Amino acid sequence: AQKITQTQPGMFVQEKEAVTLDCTYDTSDPSYGLFWYKQPSSGEMIFLIYQGSYDQQNATEGRYSLNFQKARKSANLVISASQLGDSAMYFCAIGAYSGAGSYQLTFGKGTKLSVIP
Amino acid sequence: DVKVTQSSRYLVKRTGEKVFLECVQDMDHENMFWYRQDPGLGLRLIYFSYDVKMKEKGDIPEGYSVSREKKERFSLILESASTNQTSMYLCASGYRGSGSEAFFGQGTRLTVV
Repeated sequence: AQKITQTQPGMFVQEKEAVTLDCTYDTSDPSYGLFWYKQPSSGEMIFLIYQGSYDQQNATEGRYSLNFQKARKSANLVISASQLGDSAMYFCAIGAYSGAGSYQLTFGKGTKLSVIP
Repeated sequence: DVKVTQSSRYLVKRTGEKVFLECVQDMDHENMFWYRQDPGLGLRLIYFSYDVKMKEKGDIPEGYSVSREKKERFSLILESASTNQTSMYLCASGYRGSGSEAFFGQGTRLTVV
C-alpha cells in the first residue's frame, strides 16, 4: 500500500516570495510517480507537475518545481514568485500499481496555501 | 480538452435512499476513480475501475458500490444513504499506464439529511 504525508495543514507566504510545500511518501513499489495538484476555492482539481521514480532530474513546470529526494522519500513542491492566484489547497499524490495491476493515485491530506499581498 | 462530467454539482438526499452519482469521460480512458473529499482528510479512494465491468476496492469502500457498463461511464451507488456519507465526491479518469495523471470532474457535494 502507498502512503502520502503532508505535515503542513496551512501555510502563509508573502506575494513574490518562494514557498516549499512538504510531501513525504511510503511505498514498497520500485516504480512509482509523484504528482501535485492544486484545488482553488472553486473546487476543481488542477494537475501541476509529475516526477517519475526513475527520473534523474527534478521536474519543472513554469514556476513549479518538484524537489525529489528519493533516499529521503520526499517530493516537495516549490512555487517561485508566489502570486495571489496561488492561494489554494495543494495535494501531493503517489501513483503506483495496485494488486490487480492497474495504476492508481493515493493522495495526501493537503496543504492550504495563503498568499499575502 | 479532456472532459470529466459529473451529473450533479449539488445533491440533497434523505437517509435510507438509494443514491446514484454518475460520471462520464470523453477521452477513452481505461481507468476511472471515485474519491471522497472531507476537510482534514484529503482525498480518499472509494473504488476504481480499470476496464468495463472491472472494479477494485479502494481504501473506504464500505457502504458504496460501483457500476461500469460502458467505458466512458462510471457510477457510484450509495445503497442506503447515511448522514456520515455527506461529503464532496470527486470522479476522475486516466490512462492505464504508469505516470498517467488523473483528470477530475467538478465534484458533487452530497448532503444526506
